[in-house]
Amino acid sequence: QQQVKQSPQSLIVQKGGISIINCAYENTAFDYFPWYQQFPGKGPALLIAIRPDVSEKKEGRFTISFNKSAKQFSLHIMDSQPGDSATYFCAASSRKTSYDKVIFGPGTSLSVIP
Amino acid sequence: DVKVTQSSRYLVKRTGEKVFLECVQDMDHENMFWYRQDPGLGLRLIYFSYDVKMKEKGDIPEGYSVSREKKERFSLILESASTNQTSMYLCASRDLAVSYEQYFGPGTRLTVT
Repeated sequence: QQQVKQSPQSLIVQKGGISIINCAYENTAFDYFPWYQQFPGKGPALLIAIRPDVSEKKEGRFTISFNKSAKQFSLHIMDSQPGDSATYFCAASSRKTSYDKVIFGPGTSLSVIP
Repeated sequence: DVKVTQSSRYLVKRTGEKVFLECVQDMDHENMFWYRQDPGLGLRLIYFSYDVKMKEKGDIPEGYSVSREKKERFSLILESASTNQTSMYLCASRDLAVSYEQYFGPGTRLTVT
């Protein structure tokens, strides 16, 4: 119940295309869903996050779509660029736990080719 | 900008050695975390500290211990390193009063031979 599933494991997209990464969770207590971006040799950094009271959040070329009933959320990267090549982690957490532990998905390695 | 630094980028140790990984954050964050990152497994929480001298076990605490004597510093200790502890170790900090965002250090790549 604490697991966050993520797919695909790796993704290759042409420059200018749309990258889509999907995640699913089981614990309905989760109420915060961030996406982290990690470049080689760096630690992950927060990219965008959403709470379950909204179905979509957009920041520039990055959009999170959230489906509460299906317990799924996804990251869409529009007009993908080679600079977007990185590993992306979805995550989920709950303020209802004693210390708000964050559960991370296994990650998606995105390569955007020119 | 929040800065989280880790004492080493790369570390090679022998089986049975005691290993110390240090993490320092400069933003007075109360919460600090240690994760290990392995391909296909994502980030798994080893230990969490919500304040000085306070700690909570994460998902995989076996073989590890932690120390938080000062607010800015969180140490991960491998009491007797084993080859299955070869991994990337990431430290993070957070100020829940401001946001849920975790700020990560660059990681320490530990190899145990």
